[in-house]
Amino acid sequence: EPEVTQTPSHQVTQMGQEVILRCVPISNHLYFYWYRQILGQKVEFLVSFYNNEISEKSEIFDDQFSVERPDGSNFTLKIRSTKLEDSAMYFCASISGAPRFYEQFFGPGTRLTVL
Amino acid sequence: AQRVTQPEKLLSVFKGAPVELKCNYSYSGSPELFWYVQYSRQRLQLLLRHISRESIKGFTADLNKGETSFHLKKPFAQEEDSAMYYCALSGSSGGSEKLVFGKGTKLTVNP
Repeated sequence: EPEVTQTPSHQVTQMGQEVILRCVPISNHLYFYWYRQILGQKVEFLVSFYNNEISEKSEIFDDQFSVERPDGSNFTLKIRSTKLEDSAMYFCASISGAPRFYEQFFGPGTRLTVL
Repeated sequence: AQRVTQPEKLLSVFKGAPVELKCNYSYSGSPELFWYVQYSRQRLQLLLRHISRESIKGFTADLNKGETSFHLKKPFAQEEDSAMYYCALSGSSGGSEKLVFGKGTKLTVNP
């Protein structure tokens, strides 16, 4: 059964460094999402991506964040200058059709630790 | 504003007992409601959604628009039901139908 994959599973970085989190969505999916979950808190929406552009972003997704789908398979989240408060689990999700009617499939997550 | 509230952080029941995980929501339009489950060391996965009105693994959830609730129920809990359960709402003006999650309820089913 196809699955969303994410790499790395755990990333440790120093404050101020750039990180790139990678996701490979399920191959025929059209909509892509990033969510994050700070330890002990709820899963929060960051950004959605459709047709090679951002379709919606949250207040969290400021100028330090960017997303890209560089080669038709990978879907990346870049944080330009990490802060301590960026430490969280980051989940990628993808969906095959109109979001209202189809299930979002989640990746296993990347745990980002900013020191 | 879109908001999902799960009032119980932890819920513990014995095997065979009924279980109800509460979820209330706030949304101005017509939302889609979901329950996602995360078993230990596994990824988030969809358990059920209100639009399909189905029962999955013995769980059901009824959307009550008057009470703005979408409680998850199972008449006889099993040990394998132990997991984190997240209620989520879908609906946005941007059309991306992002999911808005509650904080989750950790269900423990004791033998």
